[in-house]
Parts: sequence; C-alpha cells; structure tokens
Amino acid sequence: AAGVIQSPRHLIKEKRETATLKCYPIPRHDTVYWYQQGPGQDPQFLISFYEKMQSDKGSIPDRFSAQQFSDYHSELNMSSLELGDSALYFCASSLSDVGGEETQYFGPGTRLLVL
Amino acid sequence: KNQVEQSPQSLIILEGKNCTLQCNYTVSPFSNLRWYKQDTGRGPVSLTIMTFSENTKSNGRYTATLDADTKQSSLHITASQLSDSASYICVVSVRGSTLGRLYFGRGTQLTVWP
Repeated sequence: AAGVIQSPRHLIKEKRETATLKCYPIPRHDTVYWYQQGPGQDPQFLISFYEKMQSDKGSIPDRFSAQQFSDYHSELNMSSLELGDSALYFCASSLSDVGGEETQYFGPGTRLLVL
Repeated sequence: KNQVEQSPQSLIILEGKNCTLQCNYTVSPFSNLRWYKQDTGRGPVSLTIMTFSENTKSNGRYTATLDADTKQSSLHITASQLSDSASYICVVSVRGSTLGRLYFGRGTQLTVWP
C-alpha cells in the first residue's frame, strides 16, 4: 500500500538559507500534518491542513510557512534558517473521521541539517 | 510539564521476555490514545488506537490497555524479538477543537538483547 512520501530525505543548508520540504499524503487522505523532532526530543506539532485549508497551528516559527495544494500534497517552506532548525521533519496524513478514530500515518521524515 | 508522561525512559530486556510500558496523560478532553513504534530515523508507525470506551486492544504481540478514569495506559509486549528494539511513543489526541492534533510522550526506548 502507498505510504506518505517525503522529499528530500536529507537536506543540508547553511544559516540564513531557505529550504522547502515536500509531503505527498496517502491517496484520498484529506488532512496533512507537519511535525518537527529535534535530537532526543518528542515530535512537536507545527501545522496542519484539511482540504487545502490551514486547520490548526502549533509551534511553527514565523520564518516557516506551509500550504497544501490542489493535489493535496503539502510543502513546508523554511526561511532564514537557524542552527536550531536542524531536526527531523515529519509529515503525516489522515482521513478525517468525526468518530475520532482517525489514524495519522507518518512519512519517513526529512532530516534537515543547518550548518 | 509534558501532558503525556511515559515510563520507563529506557528499558533493556532479553529476547523472548515480556515487558510493559506505561503512559500517564493529563490531556483533556480526551479523544483517543495511540501507541506508536518509531525506529531510529524513521517515522512513527501506529500499533494500536483506543477511544474512551475501550479498555484493551491487541495487535499481534502488542496489547494496549486504557483506564480513562485514571488517565493511564500501558503497552504490553510479549515474547519480545530483536526487531522490537525501537522507541515506543504514547500519543493522545484531543476531542473537538482541532482535526487530530496529537500530544506526544517522550517515548520509551526499548532495547532487546539476544
């Protein structure tokens, strides 16, 4: 079965550069989530989109922005990168379920290293 | 203070042995609780999901329990295998305001030795 696809898998940038991470959800999933996981830390929710609209916002810095496109893929844009942005960035997708049992399926993550 | 606390932080067991991981949460209002397995450098993979009315759920050698009154959950792994070595993360979601925002525990790092 198709899973969540993220690209690139690894990315090295220098301070003050920009980066764009891409996420392709599981087909027919309508919700995408972005998480940031620093070294030795639990994932922190950044932002989510439902049907191409931002549905929730977590601890996403103002330097970051994201959007979901008509084909449901999502991109996380990160500008003015800082050393502290080095982390594993996960995308997850789900099919919304009012019953509350929806499961988020995670991609393999993009490992970003800022030098 | 993290709203999802897990214990122990790390655990080493011998292959074939059983173990139990604990999760206490304060997240409210509760929607559901999931246990995820996360291999190093990879995305979390869902093992079980339980809603308020469910007390136990099994997935192969994994059995999760939930006490919504005391806000506690456990994940029991039987007959451990080397491939069980991973981080096990308890994740709680909130009912209502958001579409499934998740609150993560810090995870229990399980190592299975031969």
